[in-house]
Amino acid sequence: GDSVTQMEGPVTLSEEAFLTINCTYTATGYPSLFWYVQYPGEGLQLLLKATKADDKGSNKGFEATYRKETTSFHLEKGSVQVSDSAVYFCALSDPNTGRRALTFGSGTRLQVQP
Amino acid sequence: NAGVTQTPKFQVLKTGQSMTLQCAQDMNHEYMSWYRQDPGMGLRLIHYSVGAGITDQGEVPNGYNVSRSTTEDFPLRLLSAAPSQTSVYFCASSYSGQHTGELFFGEGSRLTVL
Repeated sequence: GDSVTQMEGPVTLSEEAFLTINCTYTATGYPSLFWYVQYPGEGLQLLLKATKADDKGSNKGFEATYRKETTSFHLEKGSVQVSDSAVYFCALSDPNTGRRALTFGSGTRLQVQP
Repeated sequence: NAGVTQTPKFQVLKTGQSMTLQCAQDMNHEYMSWYRQDPGMGLRLIHYSVGAGITDQGEVPNGYNVSRSTTEDFPLRLLSAAPSQTSVYFCASSYSGQHTGELFFGEGSRLTVL
């Protein structure tokens, strides 16, 4: 079945540091890929997405490129801020399932220190 | 601008008790779903619905019931709570039609079963 693997956290960075959170996936079809962010005490919200190979999703300074050859969708940001502290989830949507559900990774907690 | 509203936000139950987690959305979304979030496991789909009167099982449905009598509401019922159901529960909804993967989440309901 489908699965998503994310790097273990927590990731602790200083403000203005470069961020990479690794995400790889396994899927039978051609999934869409997503990054969701969960701020403390809140539900998840969509950060960015990519629907086909080589697409780049971007939002709020974050970027991720859909790499079919390496089955990856790594999240990057050039300069993190304290306000970026949150849990980040990589997810996929497989159109073959018919469920319109997402398969999530386990989440990576990011802590940014001033 | 309510979006997806979940109640209660916190609940403590004793083993064997029953309860209902409420979920309501005001975006006229046809698709609604329930996930549970456990440490190190990401989010797992419990049940979902593609419209009023239609429900189906997700990845971890045992111990939970759902119904969808209106477009707006999608309650999750625990008939006989067990400690293994201690978790944070999220309701999520999305537009009908082609699945874009953009789910809109509630703020979550934290359930503890003693």
